[in-house]
Amino acid sequence: GDSVTQMEGPVTLSEEACLTINCTYTATGYPSLFWYVQYPGEGLQLLLKATKADDKGSNKGFEATYRKETTSFHLEKGSVQVSDSAVYFCALRGSGGGADGLTFGKGTHLIIQP
Amino acid sequence: DVKVTQSSRYLVKRTGEKVFLECVQDMDHENMFWYRQDPGLGLRLIYFSYDVKMKEKGDIPEGYSVSREKKERFSLILESASTNQTSMYLCASRQGLAYTQYFGPGTRLTVL
Repeated sequence: GDSVTQMEGPVTLSEEACLTINCTYTATGYPSLFWYVQYPGEGLQLLLKATKADDKGSNKGFEATYRKETTSFHLEKGSVQVSDSAVYFCALRGSGGGADGLTFGKGTHLIIQP
Repeated sequence: DVKVTQSSRYLVKRTGEKVFLECVQDMDHENMFWYRQDPGLGLRLIYFSYDVKMKEKGDIPEGYSVSREKKERFSLILESASTNQTSMYLCASRQGLAYTQYFGPGTRLTVL
């Protein structure tokens, strides 16, 4: 079945550091890929998405490129802020159609120190 | 903006109680989902519904049931709560074949 693997946390960085959170996936066909973010005490919010190979999703300074050849969708940001502290989830939706839900990674807790 | 609301942010119940978690969305979405979130396990799909009165099992349906009598409302039912159902429960909705799921704020359920 489909699966998502993302780097374990917590990841602790200083403000203005560069961020990369790795995400790789296993799926048949051409899944759609997502990054969701969960701020403390809140539900999940969609951060960005990509629906086909070589697409780049971007939002709030974050970017991720759908790489089918390496089955990856790494999240990057050039300069993080304290307000970026949250849990980040990589997810996919299979290409089989229908109303099935998303397959999530286990989440990466990001801590940004001033 | 899409709004998904859940009836409670925090809930404490006793073992054996029947528990109802309610979710309402205001965008006429066809698909609705229930997940549970546990540390180190991420989110796992419990049940989903693609239309009124329709439901499908997700990855971990055991111990749960659902009800969707109206399009905007999707209820998760724990028939007899157990301590291993202590978790964060997240509801989500999605319109038809579009891919973006919108999540509610979650209900943190503690079963004593």
